[in-house]
Amino acid sequence: AQSVSQHNHHVILSEAASLELGCNYSYGGTVNLFWYVQYPGQHLQLLLKYFSGDPLVKGIKGFEAEFIKSKFSFNLRKPSVQWSDTAEYFCAVTTKTSYDKVIFGPGTSLSVIP
Amino acid sequence: NAGVTQTPKFQVLKTGQSMTLQCAQDMNHNSMYWYRQDPGMGLRLIYYSASEGTTDKGEVPNGYNVSRLNKREFSLRLESAAPSQTSVYFCASSTLAESYKQYFGPGTRLTVT
Repeated sequence: AQSVSQHNHHVILSEAASLELGCNYSYGGTVNLFWYVQYPGQHLQLLLKYFSGDPLVKGIKGFEAEFIKSKFSFNLRKPSVQWSDTAEYFCAVTTKTSYDKVIFGPGTSLSVIP
Repeated sequence: NAGVTQTPKFQVLKTGQSMTLQCAQDMNHNSMYWYRQDPGMGLRLIYYSASEGTTDKGEVPNGYNVSRLNKREFSLRLESAAPSQTSVYFCASSTLAESYKQYFGPGTRLTVT
């Protein structure tokens, strides 16, 4: 069965620090990859997505992610975090055999200290 | 557009009680989903419906039933609530036209005592 793992359960950073959140998936075929964000008290919303083409994708609020097919990874990055980036971040994947069924990772909680 | 709406926002049940969580979307999406969110577990798919009239089990379907009443509405029923079902429940919808990007509702926080 397909699965998604995220390297860190909880990350604490100071403002202006750089961020990288790891995401790996287990599926050998074609995938669509997503990062969702959940701000405190809010529901999930899409941060960015990769379907095909340039493996470096840019999303909202200065976030980007790089798809490395050989490593089955889709890590999320931001050069300089802000306090307002404090949130929970979820990596998710759909596969060619089940495009409408989304598998989520366990999430990484990010706390940014002013 | 209201997007995805869920009712109720909060609910407290006693063990053994039943209830139905309601979800509706006004985006004409074919696919709808129910997830539960627990600390450290992320979102786990309970059931999903690829289209009106069809439903499929997700990762954690035990103790739940669903009904895809029509294209707009997808309800989740707990027949006999258990403390292990204490969680936050999210409904979502998606469409092939947007490569199944998930649109989430605001969630229902359920406590079973």
